[in-house]
Amino acid sequence: DAEITQSPRHKITETGRQVTLACHQTWNHNNMFWYRQDLGHGLRLIHYSYGVHDTNKGEVSDGYSVSRSNTEDLPLTLESAASSQTSVYFCASSEHGTTRYEQYFGPGTRLTVT
Amino acid sequence: AQSVAQPEDQVNVAEGNPLTVKCTYSVSGNPYLFWYVQYPNRGLQFLLKYITGDNLVKGSYGFEAEFNKSQTSFHLKKPSALVSDSALYFCAYQFSNTGKLIFGQGTTLQVKP
Repeated sequence: DAEITQSPRHKITETGRQVTLACHQTWNHNNMFWYRQDLGHGLRLIHYSYGVHDTNKGEVSDGYSVSRSNTEDLPLTLESAASSQTSVYFCASSEHGTTRYEQYFGPGTRLTVT
Repeated sequence: AQSVAQPEDQVNVAEGNPLTVKCTYSVSGNPYLFWYVQYPNRGLQFLLKYITGDNLVKGSYGFEAEFNKSQTSFHLKKPSALVSDSALYFCAYQFSNTGKLIFGQGTTLQVKP
């Protein structure tokens, strides 16, 4: 069955370190998204991609970057981790075409920055 | 600016009773609206969506939602709640030009036996 996976599921890192969170989907979806979930804020969009070599900033993109070298993967990099980036991160994907299609979510990565 | 509001942080219902989780939106143009559910330590799961057509939308696990344009609402409903429905529920609006989602803050549904 097709799925979307994230790794690691839990990560503890120190302030100032570079961290990369992996997202891999086997739906063959063109669209992929990264969100962070914080209490009182729901989910907020960090970056998204409509296909290979395409990336776009979301509403909370500062301090994060993504690259899309193939259809299946959209890794999220925290350039220099900050305590404010302690959060739960979710990756999602959806079918080609910008609208009308629901997004499929991964299980999440809980990141703690100390 | 486009926004989605879920006015209740938590909804408590007894098993077997009907449940409603409220969502209102403030958007321009025709809204594409979604409901997602999140169980503890899991990712979000799609429940249902309104794109166009009938105002009453049926989805997974017996849930339904009513789109009301005049009241700018998209409330989630279920005729008879189950304990297993206890979870965090998110309403979301989808931008028609980009496909991006804006989420409400979430409502915790607690169904007690």
